[in-house]
Amino acid sequence: DAGVTQSPTHLIKTRGQHVTLRCSPISGHKSVSWYQQVLGQGPQFIFQYYEKEERGRGNFPDRFSARQFPNYSSELNVNALLLGDSALYLCASSLEPGGYEQYFGPGTRLTVT
Amino acid sequence: GQQVMQIPQYQHVQEGEDFTTYCNSSTTLSNIQWYKQRPGGHPVFLIQLVKSGEVKKQKRLTFQFGEAKKNSSLHITATQTTDVGTYFCAGDGSGNTGKLIFGQGTTLQVKP
Repeated sequence: DAGVTQSPTHLIKTRGQHVTLRCSPISGHKSVSWYQQVLGQGPQFIFQYYEKEERGRGNFPDRFSARQFPNYSSELNVNALLLGDSALYLCASSLEPGGYEQYFGPGTRLTVT
Repeated sequence: GQQVMQIPQYQHVQEGEDFTTYCNSSTTLSNIQWYKQRPGGHPVFLIQLVKSGEVKKQKRLTFQFGEAKKNSSLHITATQTTDVGTYFCAGDGSGNTGKLIFGQGTTLQVKP
């Protein structure tokens, strides 16, 4: 079975631009979570989606948004990019939102210049 | 808000020595998960602990969950060079929501 896939792998954007990151969960997994990992730190929770509904949101500004599609894939959107948004963005899927292990994708490395 | 602290930040050991990383949460957890991230890689799930006082073993790795469900530890016996990486604990709050709060991680270096 394929694991969690994310695209693109790397991305370079300019301040003020917009970015869309994509994630496909493991087949059969209905919950997708997004995390931001800054170099040298642990992943920080951004969003959780389950059955196309937002189940949780971390402490991130409204410039960050996400959605989940009927096939359980997900998109993370970030508007008005700042230098501080440069990070590894990780998508994780699980069978259901709580109580299950999360399987992480390889991540998208975003660099904002 | 909920915080998860992990120590030490770095650990250098000689191959064959033991290694332990500790994790403490500011609030009671429904469960705690441990992940390993190799340099340039992504977090890989190791184990989940749910019950108070739970101890689980995976070969040379021993995981413990505290009686109060606020702390946890990972112990590696006789480290090998393949153990190199950063080990993260991730706590799930009392609502068992799956919104994981990660510790800062402990980076393990093993000298052959």
